[in-house]
Amino acid sequence: NAGVTQTPKFQVLKTGQSMTLQCAQDMNHNSMYWYRQDPGMGLRLIYYSASEGTTDKGEVPNGYNVSRLNKREFSLRLESAAPSQTSVYFCASSEAFWGGGNQPQHFGDGTRLSIL
Amino acid sequence: KNQVEQSPQSLIILEGKNCTLQCNYTVSPFSNLRWYKQDTGRGPVSLTIMTFSENTKSNGRYTATLDADTKQSSLHITASQLSDSASYICVVRDSGTYKYIFGTGTRLKVLA
Repeated sequence: NAGVTQTPKFQVLKTGQSMTLQCAQDMNHNSMYWYRQDPGMGLRLIYYSASEGTTDKGEVPNGYNVSRLNKREFSLRLESAAPSQTSVYFCASSEAFWGGGNQPQHFGDGTRLSIL
Repeated sequence: KNQVEQSPQSLIILEGKNCTLQCNYTVSPFSNLRWYKQDTGRGPVSLTIMTFSENTKSNGRYTATLDADTKQSSLHITASQLSDSASYICVVRDSGTYKYIFGTGTRLKVLA
């Protein structure tokens, strides 16, 4: 049982390049999330998918796009990378976005992205 | 503005000692409060989740308390171990938007 798997674990890009971060969960969760974690700041929500077929903007969506490919997979795309997007990116999943009671979010181990 | 503030920012203790981490929040309306442990280079892992009606919850040597009236929570670690060295993140869920507001974490280092 792998939980939430993110690929790649590390990536270095040049300004203006594009790339897609991949995330897959094997817990049959309905909801998936993308966060970024920067030094001195709490995790900030980029985009989320409350259920398969839906995506919504979070707190810091500019410069990113997402695709909920199926119930298991949720990808994050940087179309034209900028140095300000250097960060650690975490994917998470939970049983349900609406309500969800006391169910925790499950996080992957992150993608460390540097943009030069 | 909904905020979650944690203190101290960092803490160093000796193995075997106890410690308490603090979390104050202004999130309203409140749904629940979570504590996560994040090891270096890893994603956060859930320790406890408390709703409005719960004022204490334990997970092994970790005990979280919640005072919903004063909007304060604490995480108490008993008989610390080297493996407790990590960042501890307080997260509050907004019951209006269903979104999670993360604190910046307390970095704990346990020394032998």
